[in-house]
Amino acid sequence: GAGVSQSPSNKVTEKGKDVELRCDPISGHTALYWYRQSLGQGLEFLIYFQGNSAPDKSGLPSDRFSAERTGGSVSTLTIQRTQQEDSAVYLCASSYREGDNEQFFGPGTRLTVL
Amino acid sequence: GNSVTQMEGPVTLSEEAFLTINCTYTATGYPSLFWYVQYPGEGLQLLLKATKADDKGSNKGFEATYRKETTSFHLEKGSVQVSDSAVYFCAQYSSASKIIFGSGTRLSIRP
Repeated sequence: GAGVSQSPSNKVTEKGKDVELRCDPISGHTALYWYRQSLGQGLEFLIYFQGNSAPDKSGLPSDRFSAERTGGSVSTLTIQRTQQEDSAVYLCASSYREGDNEQFFGPGTRLTVL
Repeated sequence: GNSVTQMEGPVTLSEEAFLTINCTYTATGYPSLFWYVQYPGEGLQLLLKATKADDKGSNKGFEATYRKETTSFHLEKGSVQVSDSAVYFCAQYSSASKIIFGSGTRLSIRP
């Protein structure tokens, strides 16, 4: 596609429910990144993929967070048993390859946990 | 560890004023440096970048020069417009393939 796309654009959920956020990177980009933008924490790195593997999961805030990528394309970020502090905008980015320092960002998914 | 510190906002200026948003970084080595911009209701966009010391990145009238002596990458524009109102993020590229962002500076331009 023309750019990185994410869905849904907005998600409201109740505390304790699980949510899945989807990212579709730019076609041909092998590296994919997830970030979180929240009040008070700014923009934080969560995880990145090179192909289907995730060499760096260091930014995932707890074991309730997981991500996968299949077919070297679409990625899903899953948050289990959501908490109010998970409310944030979740941004996905992609780059042509790992180590390519220009990353292209999607519009984000705004998650609100009530 | 690596970090980015930028001027806190919000910054409010009149149209045609001169803009400076300060940014400094800490890093081992010489990472690539970026300014990203987030316009209201839109996603994060790369505004400009510099990949080595003394490089100047420029775009849309904005400029920033990579200064290794002062570990700075200040954003400047000679004459701002209302359409420049946005949140600006200074950032560095980490060797671990992730981008480390500053906290963001909200800029508002009055007509």
